[in-house]
Amino acid sequence: EAGVTQSPTHLIKTRGQQATLRCSPISGHTSVYWYQQALGLGLQFLLWYDEGEERNRGNFPPRFSGRQFPNYSSELNVNALELEDSALYLCASNVWGFEAFFGQGTRLTVV
Amino acid sequence: AQSVTQLDSQVPVFEEAPVELRCNYSSSVSVYLFWYVQYPNQGLQLLLKYLSGSTLVKGINGFEAEFNKSQTSFHLRKPSVHISDTAEYFCAVSGQGAQKLVFGQGTRLTINP
Repeated sequence: EAGVTQSPTHLIKTRGQQATLRCSPISGHTSVYWYQQALGLGLQFLLWYDEGEERNRGNFPPRFSGRQFPNYSSELNVNALELEDSALYLCASNVWGFEAFFGQGTRLTVV
Repeated sequence: AQSVTQLDSQVPVFEEAPVELRCNYSSSVSVYLFWYVQYPNQGLQLLLKYLSGSTLVKGINGFEAEFNKSQTSFHLRKPSVHISDTAEYFCAVSGQGAQKLVFGQGTRLTINP
């Protein structure tokens, strides 16, 4: 069974540009979580989608947004990129509160 | 709403010594509890989980954790650590149904030879 897949693996953008990150959950999982992990910091919760709806968002500015598609895959968009947005972005999926499975992450570098 | 507190941000231990990583949670619903490990430059992988039943849960790599409802704790233990256990460890809580999964801030375990 395929695990959680994220694309791209690495992404380099310049300040002010937009970045789009993608996540495909495990088959049958309806919830997708997005986390930001900046260097030396823990997991910072970004967004939670369940059954196509945004259920909760973390303490991030509105330029961080996303959506969940009918097939439960998800997209994270970051507009007006800033240098401090450079981080590892992790996606996880689960269903019914059970254990979440993580992708390997997208390393976003803003220059 | 659920929350998780990992009481130690860093834990240094000597190789072959025992270790305990502490985790306390709060929740208004029946909980599911998890420990994850993140090795350098990798994603997170599940170490062990408590869903129901026995309060002592055994996981991979010789780790175990005990669910203590009265103390709202889920501490992670290993009787003898190895250099390869050097990693970041995250405790997490969710609840039955579509409850948000909440992570603690992580504990960095450093093993000294």
